[in-house]
Amino acid sequence: DAGVIQSPRHEVTEMGQEVTLRCKPISGHDYLFWYRQTMMRGLELLIYFNNNVPIDDSGMPEDRFSAKMPNASFSTLKIQPSEPRDSAVYFCASSLSEKGYTFGSGTRLTVV
Amino acid sequence: QKEVEQDPGPLSVPEGAIVSLNCTYSNSAFQYFMWYRQYSRKGPELLMYTYSSGNKEDGRFTAQVDKSSKYISLFIRDSQPSDSATYLCAPRGGAQKLVFGQGTRLTINP
Repeated sequence: DAGVIQSPRHEVTEMGQEVTLRCKPISGHDYLFWYRQTMMRGLELLIYFNNNVPIDDSGMPEDRFSAKMPNASFSTLKIQPSEPRDSAVYFCASSLSEKGYTFGSGTRLTVV
Repeated sequence: QKEVEQDPGPLSVPEGAIVSLNCTYSNSAFQYFMWYRQYSRKGPELLMYTYSSGNKEDGRFTAQVDKSSKYISLFIRDSQPSDSATYLCAPRGGAQKLVFGQGTRLTINP
């Protein structure tokens, strides 16, 4: 298995632009999570899905952030408009019910 | 108060030393306790998984949970330079949502 695949690995964008991060979970996993990691705040859960349905989006910072999971093999996290304080590493993870998460390699986002 | 508290370090020890990494938590509903290891510029990877109180051993690694004091520990015996990484504790309750500690950055010096 190729694991959780995220793209792009790096993204540099200007303030105000739309950013879309992509994730392909491990086949057969029924949970998908989006996390953000910064030095100051560590790993923060943004949103998670179960069987493609959003379950908890209480960690989404504000309306500029949105996430979708149109099918079991694909999810997106969109930021519109982006701001410098959104600069972080964004991780996608998937899991199968009671098992631990498998994380992707992350997308390093820099907003200038 | 954060749900999970973990000393961020950094922690630096000589090769071969026993390392003790710890977390405290406040939510008594947590039942599953995980430790993740994260190498620089990589995603976290699951290292150990424990259910409820007690010890679990896997090679040089031992995870310990004391639910009465809400204290989680990870011990590394015969530490190696390849163990240098950030270690994150991550407990959770019945729902799937893991709550991560801040992570402790560990360096093993040859």
